[in-house]
Amino acid sequence: GAGVSQSPSNKVTEKGKDVELRCDPISGHTALYWYRQSLGQGLEFLIYFQGNSAPDKSGLPSDRFSAERTGGSVSTLTIQRTQQEDSAVYLCASSLDVSARFDTQYFGPGTRLTVL
Amino acid sequence: AQSVTQPDIHITVSEGASLELRCNYSYGATPYLFWYVQSPGQGLQLLLKYFSGDTLVQGIKGFEAEFKRSQSSFNLRKPSVHWSDAAEYFCAVATQGFQKLVFGTGTRLLVSP
Repeated sequence: GAGVSQSPSNKVTEKGKDVELRCDPISGHTALYWYRQSLGQGLEFLIYFQGNSAPDKSGLPSDRFSAERTGGSVSTLTIQRTQQEDSAVYLCASSLDVSARFDTQYFGPGTRLTVL
Repeated sequence: AQSVTQPDIHITVSEGASLELRCNYSYGATPYLFWYVQSPGQGLQLLLKYFSGDTLVQGIKGFEAEFKRSQSSFNLRKPSVHWSDAAEYFCAVATQGFQKLVFGTGTRLLVSP
């Protein structure tokens, strides 16, 4: 079956604009995660979903960042009023079920965001 | 808080030589440990994981890792490196609630002919 897919693969935007990043998890996976990979901060956790709920938003860096998940499937990460420090690769991952023992997280190819 | 240290930023190995990438973790309980590999422009691929039991874990592509509690380490090894192994390698630990991974800063592996 298909793996985790993300779109767009690349996004260039101007400072102050809003952007939406999309993640399609592996079919049947109930847990979905967002991470950010940047030169200065490495790989850092942003948020995870179990179904459509986000029990842990602790990694979101500011209130300009938000995420939602609908139908237990697709997730959108929205960054409002983008800043240059938001430039990074945004990675999405999914796993079967986060509530039981730890399941392997499968990663998508990422969206490279560049804020000019 | 959990943390992972990968002390080597870059490592260069000759093709056919053995490889060891170091990983140290800080975690109060028994950790869940992972090694991921990232090729240029690609996402992360799981190489292997340790949850419990046998401390020597076998993974894909001929990689193995050994969990040593006394040293808080989970080093990745391969007996003979291939040019296609050139990539960035990340060690990670799962948090107590298991809902997120904490990653090390990564080690970039270069393979020389």
